[in-house]
Amino acid sequence: KQEVTQIPAALSVPEGENLVLNCSFTDSAIYNLQWFRQDPGKGLTSLLLIQSSQREQTSGRLNASLDKSSGRSTLYIAASQPGDSATYLCAPLEGDDKIIFGKGTRLHILP
Amino acid sequence: NAGVTQTPKFQVLKTGQSMTLQCAQDMNHEYMSWYRQDPGMGLRLIHYSVGAGITDQGEVPNGYNVSRSTTEDFPLRLLSAAPSQTSVYFCASSSFQRYTEAFFGQGTRLTVV
Repeated sequence: KQEVTQIPAALSVPEGENLVLNCSFTDSAIYNLQWFRQDPGKGLTSLLLIQSSQREQTSGRLNASLDKSSGRSTLYIAASQPGDSATYLCAPLEGDDKIIFGKGTRLHILP
Repeated sequence: NAGVTQTPKFQVLKTGQSMTLQCAQDMNHEYMSWYRQDPGMGLRLIHYSVGAGITDQGEVPNGYNVSRSTTEDFPLRLLSAAPSQTSVYFCASSSFQRYTEAFFGQGTRLTVV
């Protein structure tokens, strides 16, 4: 059974810092991995999708990497802003077409 | 450009009552799924569908039924609500999820008393 772990569970950093969110998964037989953002009381928004054949994907200040063989992914956020405050969720897509979520990292950017 | 629409947004049920949570998408996506989100448990997959007429169970299917008669709609039925089903429910869709991102609805907050 796929298990997804996200570390840290919560993080507070001053505005402007670069930061890294970590995700590990136990079953490396995945098609892809998505990083989502969830604001309080809202649905999820997909930020980046990395195919299993890719090593990284970039969108603006966000960069996600994937090391499928070791079961790890990281989300790098450059020059953090207060608007980046949210919960970030890692979600690999398994071979049986199920997306399995980690519990998320709750990020707070201090102005 | 509605995306994924869930109704209702909030619902209070009494134990034993039945209800249907609605999910509709207007993007012609083949793949749809239902999740529940609970504090400390994260998002857990209830049921999913890879196309009209095809459904399958996720991690926590007990107490829930689904059907997929059209591409657009994927309703979730609670036959006899229990307090343990108090949660926030999310519906998601994607065109071909091995290669494309998933889109989520805004959620339905369900309380069973």
